[in-house]
Amino acid sequence: QQQVKQSPQSLIVQKGGIPIINCAYENTAFDYFPWYQQFPGKGPALLIAIRPDVSEKKEGRFTISFNKSAKQFSLHIMDSQPGDSATYFCAAIKNYQLIWGAGTKLIIKP
Amino acid sequence: EAGVAQSPRYKIIEKRQSVAFWCNPISGHATLYWYQQILGQGPKLLIQFQNNGVVDDSQLPKDRFSAERLKGVDSTLKIQPAKLEDSAVYLCASSLEGGRYEQYFGPGTRLTVT
Repeated sequence: QQQVKQSPQSLIVQKGGIPIINCAYENTAFDYFPWYQQFPGKGPALLIAIRPDVSEKKEGRFTISFNKSAKQFSLHIMDSQPGDSATYFCAAIKNYQLIWGAGTKLIIKP
Repeated sequence: EAGVAQSPRYKIIEKRQSVAFWCNPISGHATLYWYQQILGQGPKLLIQFQNNGVVDDSQLPKDRFSAERLKGVDSTLKIQPAKLEDSAVYLCASSLEGGRYEQYFGPGTRLTVT
């Protein structure tokens, strides 16, 4: 079964720090890699996404780095704020199927 | 633009009872998804509709779960009879036809089976 492995499970960072969340996948045929942000009591919301032919994508304070040969991709949050505290999910898409990572609970301390 | 609407937000039932969830997708979104999210895990796709046809229901426990999307708009997901392991958040999402990574999620229904 295709899988996306996400780490760490939880992460605590001081305000202004740069939390990094890592994901690895097992299938080379995925064609899109989105990240979702989920606040308590809310559904996930698309945060940023990258295609496998791109090595990096930035949107505001959020950056995805993608390493196709290592089958790994990561999310960096620059100048993190307490409002960024949420659960983050990486995912991979192929043939209309969205494969989710297990999620990372991020806490940004003031 | 109104988001994906779901109701109820919370439901508590006893095992072997039945329950139904309702979803109204974003206007114009042809594709509708139902997910099950167990605490501490990522969402698991239960069923995907394209208009009122089923695209993927491979992970739907068909002996107890059913879903329909009449007229290609609203959808209902039913569980009958419920088991303790069905306790989870049930998320509905929708997307434009072909926009499979741009899924917009509703707030979910938290189901507790006792």
